[in-house]
Amino acid sequence: QVQLQESGPGLVKPSQTLSLTCTVSGGSISSSSDYWSWIRQPAGKGLEWIGQVYSSGNSNYNPSFNSRVTISVDTSSNQFSLRLTSVTAADTAVYYCARDRYDFVWGGPSNWIDPWGPGILVTVSS
Amino acid sequence: DIQMTQSPSSLSASVGDRVTITCRASQNINRFLNWYQQKPGKAPKLLIFAASKLQTGVPSRFSASGSGTDFTLTINGLQPEDFATYHCQQTHRIPTFGGGTKVEI
Repeated sequence: QVQLQESGPGLVKPSQTLSLTCTVSGGSISSSSDYWSWIRQPAGKGLEWIGQVYSSGNSNYNPSFNSRVTISVDTSSNQFSLRLTSVTAADTAVYYCARDRYDFVWGGPSNWIDPWGPGILVTVSS
Repeated sequence: DIQMTQSPSSLSASVGDRVTITCRASQNINRFLNWYQQKPGKAPKLLIFAASKLQTGVPSRFSASGSGTDFTLTINGLQPEDFATYHCQQTHRIPTFGGGTKVEI
């Protein structure tokens, strides 16, 4: 079955760029049914969807990130990546990568997140 | 953004209890609603997709219903491994999550 694993620095300085990579195993990142997403969760708080990318490179982002975010895909490595620029302490969180599966349910397209990677804690601090 | 409001934010229950969690959307989301279970220090796990479809491998004591703006997740016969935080997520527009419901003893 598909498994995901986040990797990258656990500490980033304020104003710098957060960069994380997600490696997909047990399945192809080029699956036609799947987008690949990043979600984050500050300590003790709720989940926030950051964005998603398709194997073609097409991406969708949460507008709340004000163009700070880029999600890209490398199909040859079965990986996708997150870049978040100009980080502040408010970006400190556990970052999850995940598969966003699309399928037809109730006569129309629907989507859900499954599975998730284990998560990586990224702290923004000088 | 579509706001998702879960209630209660926490609840106390005992093994064997029936537990119901509600999720209300700020506008009509049809059936674009998923439920996840999260245990401390772990990633969320999908329980229910498309408002009422049980994910493969999830015990049948979990069920969910709803459409439009009001949704419920029910656990019939709470088990020790069910003590966790439950999140709803809408995917009708830019995905958003509810604030979570912590189920504790």
